Amino acid sequence: GQSLEQPSEVTAVEGAIVQINCTYQTSGFYGLSWYQQHDGGAPTFLSYNGLDGLEETGRFSSFLSRSDSYGYLLLQELQMKDSASYFCALYNQGGKLIFGQGTELSVKP
Amino acid sequence: DSGVTQTPKHLITATGQRVTLRCSPRSGDLSVYWYQQSLDQGLQFLIQYYNGEERAKGNILERFSAQQFPDLHSELNLSSLELGDSALYFCASSVYRGGSYNEQFFGPGTRLTVL
Repeated sequence: GQSLEQPSEVTAVEGAIVQINCTYQTSGFYGLSWYQQHDGGAPTFLSYNGLDGLEETGRFSSFLSRSDSYGYLLLQELQMKDSASYFCALYNQGGKLIFGQGTELSVKP
Repeated sequence: DSGVTQTPKHLITATGQRVTLRCSPRSGDLSVYWYQQSLDQGLQFLIQYYNGEERAKGNILERFSAQQFPDLHSELNLSSLELGDSALYFCASSVYRGGSYNEQFFGPGTRLTVL
């Protein structure tokens, strides 16, 4: 089967940088995705890594290392509106997503 | 607004009952995915349909079933409901053509409460 682990909670201050780590176990997958969810709302796509390395999208960056079964999401210049849950997910053949349990990020003023 | 619609937004029912959740994907998206989100289980993949055919199954209970119709909308049927079925049910859609990554767009969800 496939499984992912991420910290349950992370706290940071406005303007700071925070990194949310994700480790996974799988025999095969296409890539690692990241989604954001505010308070039970619809998850929204943030980033995808199909290859090892860093992907940058504005204030958000994501990293994947297949050899280490590890990825992370980096959020820079934190804003209050970034307070949300962040999920890493394995992207599989057919488009199926297997999600981690999520990390709740609290941004303090 | 992702372009994916789900009805109803809220549903309250009793144990043992049967309910149907409906999802309309974004225009042009052929693939529909259903996910269950409960407090202790996170986002769990249930089932995927592609252009009317079942494509992948997750940990979907036998009491649950789904289908995708010719107009591409999808329905998730939950029967013999139990208290533990109370959760948020999300539908997502993507163009999915295989190979490269295709972003999934999530609907607003249906909150099911079983009393």
